[in-house]
Amino acid sequence: QSVLTQPPSASGTPGQRVTISCSGSSSNIGSNTVNWYQQLPGTAPKLLIYSDSKRPSGVPDRFSGSKSGTSASLAISGLQSEDEADYYCASWDDSLNGPVVFGGGTKLTVL
Amino acid sequence: EVQVVQSGAEVKKPGESLKISCKGSGYSFTSHWIGWVRQMPGKGLEWMGIIYPGDSDTRYSPSFQGQVTISADKSISTAYLQWSSLKASDTAIYYCARLTPDILTGYYLDYWGQGTLVTVSS
Repeated sequence: QSVLTQPPSASGTPGQRVTISCSGSSSNIGSNTVNWYQQLPGTAPKLLIYSDSKRPSGVPDRFSGSKSGTSASLAISGLQSEDEADYYCASWDDSLNGPVVFGGGTKLTVL
Repeated sequence: EVQVVQSGAEVKKPGESLKISCKGSGYSFTSHWIGWVRQMPGKGLEWMGIIYPGDSDTRYSPSFQGQVTISADKSISTAYLQWSSLKASDTAIYYCARLTPDILTGYYLDYWGQGTLVTVSS
């Protein structure tokens, strides 16, 4: 059972906008920033969004992050086939669960 | 260029010991935490623990405390994850990653190793 809660799956057609949610608590998302990682099939995870909404160099602006209270969201606009991957949210945690906690991951399928 | 490179795949028998490595280059190895993450077959990412190579301060996830040992040798910019007695349930891919402090709070994992597949089978 992961500390952060994500839907196990999401899907969309090319060109659509999809969002993935991540729910936590006051000891993690509520008091620390949220990061998102993309894991393409058979590869290592890659940092996609950090500090709630910032994109590392090289990440397309189709990817955006937001946070409100103890929940966060990842949005992907203009969905492309190469976006099919697993997406994980993560946050620093100030409780005994920490210091880092992950969501269970969301498998995004591009139909 | 920042790089994090892990040691190669391992095949071990239950009860054997193992130490895998993670070498950082292209940055000040002693100034960044290094974290270890487990991914069991077909499953998600699990946080194992972190180490600060500058002073070897180590923090473990409650789920992994006592099950593994995390260490580092700053003279060769390498962090380690070791087991004293492997179990079949330790079969997984293990990733290491560099942590960078967020300007606000917390940290994020910005550079990941390629992963080390550990297979434990009799």
